Amino acid sequence: ETGVTQSPTHLIKTRGQQVTLRCSSQSGHNTVSWYQQALGQGPQFIFQYYREEENGRGNFPPRFSGLQFPNYSSELNVNALELDDSALYLCASSLGTPTSGREQFFGPGTRLTVL
Amino acid sequence: GQQLNQSPQSMFIQEGEDVSMNCTSSSIFNTWLWYKQEPGEGPVLLIALYKAGELTSNGRLTAQFGITRKDSFLNISASIPSDVGIYFCAGQPSRSGTASKLTFGTGTRLQVTL
Repeated sequence: ETGVTQSPTHLIKTRGQQVTLRCSSQSGHNTVSWYQQALGQGPQFIFQYYREEENGRGNFPPRFSGLQFPNYSSELNVNALELDDSALYLCASSLGTPTSGREQFFGPGTRLTVL
Repeated sequence: GQQLNQSPQSMFIQEGEDVSMNCTSSSIFNTWLWYKQEPGEGPVLLIALYKAGELTSNGRLTAQFGITRKDSFLNISASIPSDVGIYFCAGQPSRSGTASKLTFGTGTRLQVTL
């Protein structure tokens, strides 16, 4: 069974640029959630994708957007990067419907640094 | 964004000691999860709790889902050096369009000395 994978591992961008982060869900998992973890804090929910549609969003502006593909993999896009976007971005996958509250399994994360 | 209150913030203990940490919320949760995170890695699921009052063990780890549904506790018995890391609680809401959205605690950093 393959776990959650994310790419790239590290990324350095400058303010104003755009970035795309990628996530492959654990085998058989159909729901993907994205979290932002600033240094020294717990992860914060960005949004969730189920059946290729966004299903719930946390307190993040529209310049944070995403996609889910038919194979359940997902992308997180961030436009007009700001210094405060520097963080570890975590992808988590789970099996079932979003209302069933199943366990989420996390990938290793992508460390984004905005200069 | 909202974070659950987790205590203690950090702990320095000796190998072999028992550890207790807890997590409290102003909101009710339907599920409580405990994760461990090591430097440069994503959180790893340790224990999942689904019912108020439930007590669940995973090896040396024991966690409880509080009766009020607003708190949870994690105990680690006979700590060993590889227990070092940051422990996060996370709650899943009971009534939400995104019932599997996780709200995380502030974390408990555990250091184990020999």
